[in-house]
Amino acid sequence: GAVVSQHPSRVICKSGTSVKIECRSLDFQATTMFWYRQFPKKSLMLMATSNEGSKATYEQGVEKDKFLINHASLTLSTLTVTSAHPEDSSFYICSALRQGGSQETQYFGPGTRLLVL
Amino acid sequence: AQSVTQLDSHVSVSEGTPVLLRCNYSSSYSPSLFWYVQHPNKGLQLLLKYTSAATLVKGINGFEAEFKKSETSFHLTKPSAHMSDAAEYFCVVSDLRNAGNMLTFGGGTRLMVKP
Repeated sequence: GAVVSQHPSRVICKSGTSVKIECRSLDFQATTMFWYRQFPKKSLMLMATSNEGSKATYEQGVEKDKFLINHASLTLSTLTVTSAHPEDSSFYICSALRQGGSQETQYFGPGTRLLVL
Repeated sequence: AQSVTQLDSHVSVSEGTPVLLRCNYSSSYSPSLFWYVQHPNKGLQLLLKYTSAATLVKGINGFEAEFKKSETSFHLTKPSAHMSDAAEYFCVVSDLRNAGNMLTFGGGTRLMVKP
């Protein structure tokens, strides 16, 4: 199956600092990637849709100035949590959309656990 | 609009007994349906998907799911549970007409397998 990686797998940072998370599709090109957030004991929440070469589309209630998304190439999207606070601590998961013929499938990264102290 | 309801937040079975994880959906159009599994501290893994072909879909690790349009259900089953099946399972719906192929996730069902 297709492989999507995330880096780092976990990060601890101080309140007020910024953290960048990378999402890479390793064996296919992805025009579209998605960023999700998972709260403890909760389901995934879509934060934004990342489109290569254009601005990301954010879901309602997600602050675009706080969660900066850059999709500079067909294999890399980054999420930067700016001025992180403890309430930003969460599990962040990206996915990449693989398009082939008439079928499209999302492949998920392993996730990044962020802890803000 | 589309939505997914996983009827049980927790399911506990004994090893070797059948597994049934329930999922009901609503969608304005013909949906694609998926089951994903998430093991602790791991990313999501696709178990199986339904995309308007055969209504009985076979996935990895012995899991299968049946799409029942009349019941708007897509329940996940496995004849015999294994200890390694203990994980969180997500039922997911995607409306193919939905721009960007966004997925709508159910709340998840935590499967526990007792020895």
